[in-house]
Amino acid sequence: EPEVTQTPSHQVTQMGQEVILRCVPISNHLYFYWYRQILGQKVEFLVSFYNNEISEKSEIFDDQFSVERPDGSNFTLKIRSTKLEDSAMYFCATRTSGGVDTQYFGPGTRLTVL
Amino acid sequence: SQKIEQNSEALNIQEGKTATLTCNYTNYSPAYLQWYRQDPGRGPVFLLLIRENEKEKRKERLKVTFDTTLKQSLFHITASQPADSATYLCAPGMDSSYKLIFGSGTRLLVRP
Repeated sequence: EPEVTQTPSHQVTQMGQEVILRCVPISNHLYFYWYRQILGQKVEFLVSFYNNEISEKSEIFDDQFSVERPDGSNFTLKIRSTKLEDSAMYFCATRTSGGVDTQYFGPGTRLTVL
Repeated sequence: SQKIEQNSEALNIQEGKTATLTCNYTNYSPAYLQWYRQDPGRGPVFLLLIRENEKEKRKERLKVTFDTTLKQSLFHITASQPADSATYLCAPGMDSSYKLIFGSGTRLLVRP
């Protein structure tokens, strides 16, 4: 069964550094999402992306965050200047159709900001 | 503001029993509701979706109900097994936006 993949599985970085988290969506999926989960807390929506542009974003997704699909396959989340509070699991999710449809989640990237 | 509530305390049951998890929501009227399973350190996995015009949905040992009057969904696992131990997340949704807004989840522990 096709899966969403994410790299790296764990990223450790110093505060103030830039990080890029990568996701490879399922091949025929058109809608892409990033969520995050701070340890012990709930899964939170960050941003949705369709047709090469952001379709919706949450309050968390401020100017420090950006997303793009640089090569038509990878879907990336960039955090420009990481803060301690950015430490969390980041999940990529994708879905296929324009209507209500299942979202398929990747295994996540654990980001640790020191 | 919109609120989703799931039991924060873990549900601890004996293998073979039926587990019932609750999801309550306030201050909005979702068009559908999804249930996901999350294992520690892993991403959520879709289980079931139920629309507002459906009272009940079943899939193998799973059953979901959706009561728009009570603003509540119940998620049942019959003949529970230790492998069902996980955190179960509900996500009420609107047709105007397909992002998932999750509840905090209920942890289920099934004892052998």
